[in-house]
Amino acid sequence: DQQVKQNSPSLSVQEGRISILNCDYTNSMFDYFLWYKKYPAEGPTFLISISSIKDKNEDGRFTVFLNKSAKHLSLHIVPSQPGDSAVYFCAASAFVGSQGNLIFGKGTKLSVKP
Amino acid sequence: DGGITQSPKYLFRKEGQNVTLSCEQNLNHDAMYWYRQDPGQGLRLIYYSQIVNDFQKGDIAEGYSVSREKKESFPLTVTSAQKNPTAFYLCASSATGSTDTQYFGPGTRLTVL
Repeated sequence: DQQVKQNSPSLSVQEGRISILNCDYTNSMFDYFLWYKKYPAEGPTFLISISSIKDKNEDGRFTVFLNKSAKHLSLHIVPSQPGDSAVYFCAASAFVGSQGNLIFGKGTKLSVKP
Repeated sequence: DGGITQSPKYLFRKEGQNVTLSCEQNLNHDAMYWYRQDPGQGLRLIYYSQIVNDFQKGDIAEGYSVSREKKESFPLTVTSAQKNPTAFYLCASSATGSTDTQYFGPGTRLTVL
């Protein structure tokens, strides 16, 4: 049973437009959420995180929104650039009981076309 | 430069052989993790360690073993008991074992022939 779901395996966006990557979770104990970016044959790179006490966190072109009632988070990239083309993983963690272990979604492959 | 190193980047082994993947970090992080990634899959946790000389099994520990004799090092051995060892292996570390951000190494692609 997947606790973290990224239902879109791929997304294609035009350069300069907004990219919206979505993530749903089922475990209400999750209280910390992260987004990672991964290029082929490389380790994931941390992008941005959000704690459950917030509903928005912004860092440059990247904004993460958290809707706790819907158990949904999204990553917005504005404006999208060709270098953003990668696989994006959503991850979640519960402070209590998990000892910091992250549960990852299966990823969404973003393609930004020039 | 502070970071996590994994070596080698590509590794080939014959079926039935044990192989050890290296992971070193100089970030002074307490916690270290091993993940496996298969095509079209998210990262799955193999083992994790929150402090030296202590480690716990993750979701898919069967066929793997680890040690944590030093804070900086967390080697992973893929044993002959692992039924499908060909995969991309990723090591990560975090400052503590709580909800700190995990930082990843570059990964090792293991191919068992």
